[in-house]
Amino acid sequence: GQQVMQIPQYQHVQEGEDFTTYCNSSTTLSNIQWYKQRPGGHPVFLIQLVKSGEVKKQKRLTFQFGEAKKNSSLHITATQTTDVGTYFCAGVGYSTLTFGKGTMLLVSP
Amino acid sequence: EAQVTQNPRYLITVTGKKLTVTCSQNMNHEYMSWYRQDPGLGLRQIYYSMNVEVTDKGDVPEGYKVSRKEKRNFPLILESPSPNQTSLYFCASSVRGVVDTEAFFGQGTRLTVV
Repeated sequence: GQQVMQIPQYQHVQEGEDFTTYCNSSTTLSNIQWYKQRPGGHPVFLIQLVKSGEVKKQKRLTFQFGEAKKNSSLHITATQTTDVGTYFCAGVGYSTLTFGKGTMLLVSP
Repeated sequence: EAQVTQNPRYLITVTGKKLTVTCSQNMNHEYMSWYRQDPGLGLRQIYYSMNVEVTDKGDVPEGYKVSRKEKRNFPLILESPSPNQTSLYFCASSVRGVVDTEAFFGQGTRLTVV
């Protein structure tokens, strides 16, 4: 079945530093979604990427979908303490989402 | 307010005692699913439902049952819970399937089986 791998598993940065998490799939994805889960919270949808090579921005967050639609990344510029949480990518199949294991981001002030 | 509601939020039970975790959504979504979240393993899908009376297995269905008799409700049933089912459980819903639609998650149910 489809496997989605995400790295790094954990990252600790100083406030103001940049952060990137990477997602790789064993198969070509139709779409990919990104979610954020705050500590003690539930996953919240951030964005969906559909097209090969697509780049989308949400304020300080930049999402990219690879040309081959097998990898994706989320980059946060100038992290803030409010960015703390676990970021998940999810490969979109016909009827299911396959989640990566997530990257936990810790931001120190 | 649009939401997915799970109950209970916390549950401690004993091995073998049947339990049900309820999930209800008020957004008229067709698709609902259950996930379990374990440290280091991320979110793994247990069961999903494309619509009323239509359910299918996810990646880790063993030991679980579901039903979808009404569009808004999708309960998760553990007939004989075991300690390896201790986990954080999330219910999610989306408008139709998962393609091109975001999933809305409930607040989670933390289950401990002793």
